[in-house]
Amino acid sequence: NAGVTQTPKFRILKIGQSMTLQCTQDMNHNYMYWYRQDPGMGLKLIYYSVGAGITDKGEVPNGYNVSRSTTEDFPLRLELAAPSQTSVYFCASSKQLANTGELFFGEGSRLTVL
Amino acid sequence: GENVEQHPSTLSVQEGDSAVIKCTYSDSASNYFPWYKQELGKGPQLIIDIRSNVGEKKDQRIAVTLNKTAKHFSLHITETQPEDSAVYFCAEFDYGGSQGNLIFGKGTKLSVKP
Repeated sequence: NAGVTQTPKFRILKIGQSMTLQCTQDMNHNYMYWYRQDPGMGLKLIYYSVGAGITDKGEVPNGYNVSRSTTEDFPLRLELAAPSQTSVYFCASSKQLANTGELFFGEGSRLTVL
Repeated sequence: GENVEQHPSTLSVQEGDSAVIKCTYSDSASNYFPWYKQELGKGPQLIIDIRSNVGEKKDQRIAVTLNKTAKHFSLHITETQPEDSAVYFCAEFDYGGSQGNLIFGKGTKLSVKP
C-alpha cells in the first residue's frame, strides 16, 4: 500500500521559473492538503481540497495554485518561483475532516529557489 | 490568528528517562489536539490525539494530558528509547479559520542518548 506519494523529492529552481509538485494517494481519501515546512516553523497550510473539483485556500496560498480533477491527485503549481518559496513541501490526505481523522503525509519534496 | 506555543524547542534525555513536551493554545473553542512524530527525512505521523471531553489518554509508553482551563496539553513519553528520537509537533484544530486547518506548533527535537 503506497499511501501518499510525492514527486519530485528534490528540485532546484531559478527565480522566475515554474514547476508542479505532484501528489497522489491510493487510499480513496476525500480530503487532501498541501503544507510547507520551514526550519523551526512547523507546518503551514497552503491549500486543501474536500473532494474532486473543490479546492480552497489555507494560511499561506500566495504564489501557489492547485487543482483536483480526480480523487487521487492533488498537484501544487508554483508560478514565478521566488527565494521565499524555498521550503519542504508535504502533501497529506485524510478520510475525514482534520479534527475527526488522521492525516497521512507523504515523504516531502525539498525545493530550493536560487 | 490562532497560535500554538510549543516548548521546549529541543530536548535531550538519557535512554530510559521520561520526556515531556508542552503546548499552549489560545482558542477556547478548540476541542481536538493531535501529536505528530516526524523522523528524519519522513513526513509527520500521528502518534496520539485527545479530545476535550477527556483529560488524559495513554497508549503504551506515550500519554497526552489536557488542561482546558489553562489551555495547555502535554505529551509524555516514558522509558524513552533511541528510536523515540525525532521531531514532535503538537497541533489544534482551527474552527475559526480554514475548514481543514490544523494549527501546528513549531516542533520539539527530541534526542534520546543511549
